[in-house]
Amino acid sequence: EAGVTQFPSHSVIEKGQTVTLRCDPISGHDNLYWYRRVMGKEIKFLLHFVKESKQDESGMPNNRFLAERTGGTYSTLKVQPAELEDSGVYFCASSQPQGRSTEAFFGQGTRLTVV
Amino acid sequence: AQTVTQSQPEMSVQEAETVTLSCTYDTSESDYYLFWYKQPPSRQMILVIRQEAYKQQNATENRFSVNFQKAAKSFSLKISDSQLGDAAMYFCAYRSVGGATNKLIFGTGTLLAVQP
Repeated sequence: EAGVTQFPSHSVIEKGQTVTLRCDPISGHDNLYWYRRVMGKEIKFLLHFVKESKQDESGMPNNRFLAERTGGTYSTLKVQPAELEDSGVYFCASSQPQGRSTEAFFGQGTRLTVV
Repeated sequence: AQTVTQSQPEMSVQEAETVTLSCTYDTSESDYYLFWYKQPPSRQMILVIRQEAYKQQNATENRFSVNFQKAAKSFSLKISDSQLGDAAMYFCAYRSVGGATNKLIFGTGTLLAVQP
């Protein structure tokens, strides 16, 4: 069974441009999370989908970030317009419906560099 | 709010030796999970070991074990008989129990190098 996959693995864009990151969760996983790690800092939560609904978006930095999960399958995270401080590694994770011991499975991350 | 602190940005260990990675956390909750995740270079982050706060017994997974000190809010990871494949970034993480979202709170990570 395929794990969580993220596209692209790397992206280099200029300040002011738009970038869209994609995450394909494990099939059947209702929960989908986005996280971000800025160089040298902790991995920070961005938002949580349950199927197609946003359960918690408290970690989204500002309105330049837009996340969608159409049909409750894959998710996209768009940054428009990108700023230098948006550089970092963006991780996606998915998990089965909520349970006490639910385990999150992570993708390999998308490294975004804004120049 | 909960926080997780990893005070060792980098660690190094000789192959076959033992290394301990430190993690402390802060919370007012009594029931929660703690995790150690491993991220090899350019690869997916994988779960190494998990500890439930209400369990006093320290979790063990083969060569990986934890020292969970609830009162001290400490959760260290011990890797025994280190192997070259253990070289990776290790993240300590916290998760509340019973919330609407199972989001993880991470530390800054420890980069582990294994010397042959």
